[in-house]
Amino acid sequence: ELKVEQNPLFLSMQEGKNYTIYCNYSTTSDRLYWYRQDPGKSLESLFVLLSNGAVKQEGRLMASLDTKARLSTLHITAAVHDLSATYFCAVINFGNEKLTFGTGTRLTIIP
Amino acid sequence: GAGVSQSPRYKVTKRGQDVTLRCDPISSHATLYWYQQALGQGPEFLTYFNYEAQPDKSGLPSDRFSAERPEGSISTLTIQRTEQRDSAMYRCASSPQGRHTEAFFGQGTRLTVV
Repeated sequence: ELKVEQNPLFLSMQEGKNYTIYCNYSTTSDRLYWYRQDPGKSLESLFVLLSNGAVKQEGRLMASLDTKARLSTLHITAAVHDLSATYFCAVINFGNEKLTFGTGTRLTIIP
Repeated sequence: GAGVSQSPRYKVTKRGQDVTLRCDPISSHATLYWYQQALGQGPEFLTYFNYEAQPDKSGLPSDRFSAERPEGSISTLTIQRTEQRDSAMYRCASSPQGRHTEAFFGQGTRLTVV
């Protein structure tokens, strides 16, 4: 059974600092997503990573994928308050439609 | 439509009652998913449809849960004889071609069983 673990679960950081959220998954996969969720809101897709070594960047967020290590990272550069949210990684198995989510990382950016 | 629409947004029901939740996907999206999200947790897969076919319902927690998409567009999720442990956010998503490619999630229905 595919398991997805994120750490840290909670992250409080100051504006302007850099940090990384880690996502490990237990079985091989061909597709990994990162989502953002604001309180009371829906899930917003940030990135989809399809191959080993894939790197995608949008603004202050950069996601990467190492399929051999079964690890994805979401790096935050020079954090700003607007990035405060819960971030989820989610993985799909080969030949499958089921998205398995991690437990989420609740990120709080302190001015 | 402009996005994935779910109704109602909030539902409070008494234990033992049946409830039906509705999802109106983005028009022309072939694939529709249902997820259950408990407070403070990530969403958990319930089932999905390709048009009206339902290839995987392995995530439905019990036979009290069922879902339909009879015409390949709007879908309903029905929970019979609700229990307190059914209280959660129920989210629907749709994708034009599956595998969550270009998928959008709806705002969800918050179900509270009292």
